[in-house]
Amino acid sequence: DAGVIQSPRHEVTEMGQEVTLRCKPISGHNSLFWYRQTMMRGLELLIYFNNNVPIDDSGMPEDRFSAKMPNASFSTLKIQPSEPRDSAVYFCASSKGLLNEQFFGPGTRLTVL
Amino acid sequence: SQQGEEDPQALSIQEGENATMNCSYKTSINNLQWYRQNSGRGLVHLILIRSNEREKHSGRLRVTLDTSKKSSSLLITASRAADTASYFCATDGGGNDYKLSFGAGTTVTVRA
Repeated sequence: DAGVIQSPRHEVTEMGQEVTLRCKPISGHNSLFWYRQTMMRGLELLIYFNNNVPIDDSGMPEDRFSAKMPNASFSTLKIQPSEPRDSAVYFCASSKGLLNEQFFGPGTRLTVL
Repeated sequence: SQQGEEDPQALSIQEGENATMNCSYKTSINNLQWYRQNSGRGLVHLILIRSNEREKHSGRLRVTLDTSKKSSSLLITASRAADTASYFCATDGGGNDYKLSFGAGTTVTVRA
């Protein structure tokens, strides 16, 4: 099993640009989570999906952030427009069911200049 | 705000010694989980303990849960240099609140 796959691994962009982060969950997992990790705020849950349906997006910081899960094997997190304070490592995780162990991807390190 | 808080923030031990870290949380939970993160990597799941369980073992790891005190502990026995990492506890909000909240973590350094 390849594990959770995230792309890109690193992204450097300029303020105001659109950023799209991608995630492929582990096959057979029906829950998907997007997290953000910074030194100041630690690891924060942004949004999670169950069976491709967004369940709770209360952690999404602003309307500039949006996430989609068009099918069971793909999800995107989009930031438009990006700002320097969005710089962080963004993790995607998947699990079999909402209360079970989560498998994390390697993360995308985003730098907004 | 973070649901779980780990203590201590940092721990330095000699190889072969045991490492203990604690986690406190605020609300009722369904499960409590412990994860490890090596520098620059994603989190790796270690143990999940359900609210009706008191103790769980996995290899050199032992986790306890005291729901009356809203606290958990993670013990790593016979530590190795490879155990050097940050350790996080994570809790859901109980009931139908499945959001996982992570603490700030305990950074463990195992000296060879």
